[in-house]
Amino acid sequence: AQSVTQPDIHITVSEGASLELRCNYSYGATPYLFWYVQSPGQGLQLLLKYFSGDTLVQGIKGFEAEFKRSQSSFNLRKPSVHWSDAAEYFCAVGPTSGTYKYIFGTGTRLKVLA
Amino acid sequence: KAGVTQTPRYLIKTRGQQVTLSCSPISGHRSVSWYQQTPGQGLQFLFEYFSETQRNKGNFPGRFSGRQFSNSRSEMNVSTLELGDSALYLCASSPSSGTGVRANYGYTFGSGTRLTVV
Repeated sequence: AQSVTQPDIHITVSEGASLELRCNYSYGATPYLFWYVQSPGQGLQLLLKYFSGDTLVQGIKGFEAEFKRSQSSFNLRKPSVHWSDAAEYFCAVGPTSGTYKYIFGTGTRLKVLA
Repeated sequence: KAGVTQTPRYLIKTRGQQVTLSCSPISGHRSVSWYQQTPGQGLQFLFEYFSETQRNKGNFPGRFSGRQFSNSRSEMNVSTLELGDSALYLCASSPSSGTGVRANYGYTFGSGTRLTVV
């Protein structure tokens, strides 16, 4: 069955440090891949998406993600974290012929130390 | 253009009552999907409507239902509320249904309705 795994439930980084959030998916073909961010009490904001082509995609707020087919991964990165980046981050796979729905990972909660 | 609008933002209901949540999609979007988010289960798909027809349904009991109107606005209803129904309910709209680029590219979430059952 199709699935998305975010191995890290919590991550703490210092402000200004680099960040990498991990995401692995299980799907036979290349799915549509997304990263969303959610602040407390808020909805989901799209950071970036990958459909095809260049495997390094740029998003908003200085985030980028790299699609690696061989590793079935779509990790999110940011070179220098700001305190305002503290939030929960969700990786997702878009609707496919097998699911017809978004499938989300369990999320990674990011804490930023001043 | 306006985003996906969900009303109300917050609701408090008593166990056993029923509740109706509303979602107005982005203008021109014809597909509306609903998700439930809880700390224990994460984000779970409830159902999708397209052109007033339910296209797909998640694994939820029959107490959860929905509908879509001719203007693409959607409502979801939960009857006989249980404490476990307390959650953030998110709606997402898309230009089309299905699994293609167009359906995925324009997928946009609303801010959600926070339902608390006491």
